Amino acid sequence: EAQVTQNPRYLITVTGKKLTVTCSQNMNHEYMSWYRQDPGLGLRQIYYSMNVEVTDKGDVPEGYKVSRKEKRNFPLILESPSPNQTSLYFCASSYRGLGTEAFFGQGTRLTVV
Amino acid sequence: QQQVKQSPQSLIVQKGGISIINCAYENTAFDYFPWYQQFPGKGPALLIAIRPDVSEKKEGRFTISFNKSAKQFSLHIMDSQPGDSATYFCAASISNFGNEKLTFGTGTRLTIIP
Repeated sequence: EAQVTQNPRYLITVTGKKLTVTCSQNMNHEYMSWYRQDPGLGLRQIYYSMNVEVTDKGDVPEGYKVSRKEKRNFPLILESPSPNQTSLYFCASSYRGLGTEAFFGQGTRLTVV
Repeated sequence: QQQVKQSPQSLIVQKGGISIINCAYENTAFDYFPWYQQFPGKGPALLIAIRPDVSEKKEGRFTISFNKSAKQFSLHIMDSQPGDSATYFCAASISNFGNEKLTFGTGTRLTIIP
């Protein structure tokens, strides 16, 4: 089954404790992205990757890091989480090219206390 | 800066009625406009999309209307059903970025009542 898998689905952590949210896709997609979803703000892009070792900032990259060492994986790293990073996070992947469907994971609900 | 403005924030429609969600964009370089549907606890999924070279696209009960001069596009759901109750996001992107640079609207929570 074609899918984008995120882990964990739910996470509660404390301020400053480094964490990683994993994302893996099995569709051999070149493009992968991370979004955060907040009430009243919709989905905002954090980082994206056009291929292995190629990443770039989205609209809200502050406080986040990513890496793309393998085509299928695109982890999101919060080196020192803060309460304003409490949000619902989505990973997405798609084939290269305009008009191709972006496939989203199930989401990771992160709470930073 | 919100580049894609979506309204209304929430919408309640009676079963069988027409649901209409509107979006407006500012960046004239946008040339791909998808709509995504999100059910509770799930990630968004592509519903329907349009390019600006056509004014309307229809897929079953779902229609996108596009007005390039007004920089507006809308989603119409005909004969709305309770199963259509979800959050809908409009989005826009630019050709040389493709899907890795989608700009989303703020979402509309649609509720269809019996």
